[in-house]
Parts: sequence; C-alpha cells; structure tokens
Amino acid sequence: QSVLTQPPSASGTPGQRVTISCSGDTSYIVSNYVYWYQRLPRTAPKLLIYRDDQRPSGVPDRFSGSKSGTSASLAISGLRSEDEAEYYCAAWDGSLRVVVFGGGTKLTVL
Amino acid sequence: EVQLVESGGGLVQPGGSLRLSCAASGFTFSSYSMNWVRQAPGKGLEWISYISSTSSAIYYADSVKGRFTISRDNAKNSLYLQMNSLRVEDTAVYYCARAKDRLFDYWGQGTLVTVSS
Repeated sequence: QSVLTQPPSASGTPGQRVTISCSGDTSYIVSNYVYWYQRLPRTAPKLLIYRDDQRPSGVPDRFSGSKSGTSASLAISGLRSEDEAEYYCAAWDGSLRVVVFGGGTKLTVL
Repeated sequence: EVQLVESGGGLVQPGGSLRLSCAASGFTFSSYSMNWVRQAPGKGLEWISYISSTSSAIYYADSVKGRFTISRDNAKNSLYLQMNSLRVEDTAVYYCARAKDRLFDYWGQGTLVTVSS
C-alpha cells in the first residue's frame, strides 16, 4: 500500500480535461514539494511537474499541477491519445529521509 | 543531452549478489545527487536509494536497508548499486535517476534484475 494515494484509473475522451489526485498526510504533501511523472508504455518515466506546479521545458502547457492542503492534483487539458500512460506522484519525506510514491494512475483515452 | 545508461542486470538466484552500474553523460555528474528507483512487474514505482553529489549523504528505503549499497565514482561519471542477499521480491526493472530536490528529473532506460531459482 502506497503512502500517497492515487486513484488506480482515470479516463477521458479526446479534448476533455481530466484530473488525477494525490493525497497524503501532512508530512508528505503539505511540507514538501510534489512531483508528477508520466510513464508511457515500455519507456522510462518522464518528469511532468516539479515543485508542485512547475513544468520543465518541453512539457506542454496542457499539463498543470496544483496543491491544496494535504492533496495535490495533476490536470491534463485537451486530452490526446498519446497521453494514455501511467501517472505517478512523489514527494520527499524530510523526517524519514525517504521518497514516497503514489501507487500510480492508469489513464485511458477512450 | 542528459544520458543515463544502466547495466549489470540479469538472472540471479535468491541469496545471490549483483552490481548495477549507471553511466552518466551530458551534465556535470559530480554536481548532482543521484537515485536508484525500481519497478517490479505489475507494480508501481519504488524509490530505493539516494546519494548526494559528494557521497556525504546516503539514504535507503527500508525494503533494501542492510542489503543494498549505493556508491558513485565522480571521476568515472558512474553510479553503482551493490545488491546482496537478493530476494524474489527484488525482481524489478532498476532505474538510475538524477536528483532534483531529492526527487528525480532525468531517468535512464532501466536494467532488468530477475531473482529466481
């Protein structure tokens, strides 16, 4: 069981906006940055969002991150077929000195 | 271009050992902390170890503490993971990943470790 909780699945149709949540207790979400990763089939994970809401260069602005209280969210607008992937949130626990992941959300584009 | 290339994976019996390597290029390796992350078949991502740029800070997940050892050679732009007392549940694809805020920005393509008799 993962320390950060994500829905196991999400879906949407092309053009739609979908959001994926990531919740945890205070020590993970509130006190630390949340990162989001995309894992396309048979490829290495790719950084999508860092420091809660920052996009690395090259990541389309269709992807956005936010955080409120003990929950973070990844939003994907203008959904495309190539967005079908697994999405993971992660955070650093400074007290335990470990990185914790969410269990991952498999996004299906219908 | 940042490149991370893992090697050293393979089939090993339970209780055996394996040493993974990660060759880094395209950035100043000695300036960055690094991590190892794994993904078991059908499971999610699991962080297993972190090492700071000068090796002064090293952290492990409880699942591998006492069995795995992370190290680096900045002169060779290389990261290592020595895995001892391997268990069936250590079967996974192992990724090296460059650290950003103690998380990860760039990942390698991974190397498969299979622990089976």
